[in-house]
Amino acid sequence: DTAVSQTPKYLVTQMGNDKSIKCEQNLGHDTMYWYKQDSKKFLKIMFSYNNKELIINETVPNRFSPKSPDKAHLNLHINSLELGDSAVYFCASNGAFTEAFFGQGTRLTVV
Amino acid sequence: DAKTTQPNSMESNEEEPVHLPCNHSTISGTDYIHWYRQLPSQGPEYVIHGLTSNVNNRMASLAIAEDRKSSTLILHRATLRDAAVYYCILANAGGTSYGKLTFGQGTILTVHP
Repeated sequence: DTAVSQTPKYLVTQMGNDKSIKCEQNLGHDTMYWYKQDSKKFLKIMFSYNNKELIINETVPNRFSPKSPDKAHLNLHINSLELGDSAVYFCASNGAFTEAFFGQGTRLTVV
Repeated sequence: DAKTTQPNSMESNEEEPVHLPCNHSTISGTDYIHWYRQLPSQGPEYVIHGLTSNVNNRMASLAIAEDRKSSTLILHRATLRDAAVYYCILANAGGTSYGKLTFGQGTILTVHP
């Protein structure tokens, strides 16, 4: 069983479109995250949710809206996609005093 | 967040030990030292973490300087599968914050057969 799973793995879309990336964890963790890895391979945290509540929003444009329907899921919706949104997006989770587990990533390409 | 400094790249031969250094001179008393690695085309993977004492697990060992201003990740016998980017990260002791990680550039480890 995959601990943190993301779908889709690849996403190619046109500028201006709206898209969503889904993330699910089966580890029973309370905290989930979204990270972005840009073309220079720099990994940066975007959001963090704890028990469905947003606790970190790292100056991400409001075109990005995370949604957590329950503590096992954290989805990322992106409106009006721009070329600069092309990146690999990683979902992660951790429990209290446990290390973070990352998903395999979603490679988003905006054309 | 306190910053870390790592060499851009290192090379090793298969089955030899690898010592990956990390400087963190501005570390605070509540910062844990975490190491993650990212294999090609995969998400980051936890390796080890510690606070003051040296730590061992099945993947690696972590040696922490007495003043905590530096640490070294030790892979005892490198394999080709260990080729990855290794990140040294300081994370606060808050229990729910262990996943709030500030990644630097990391060290690209190349392992030669």
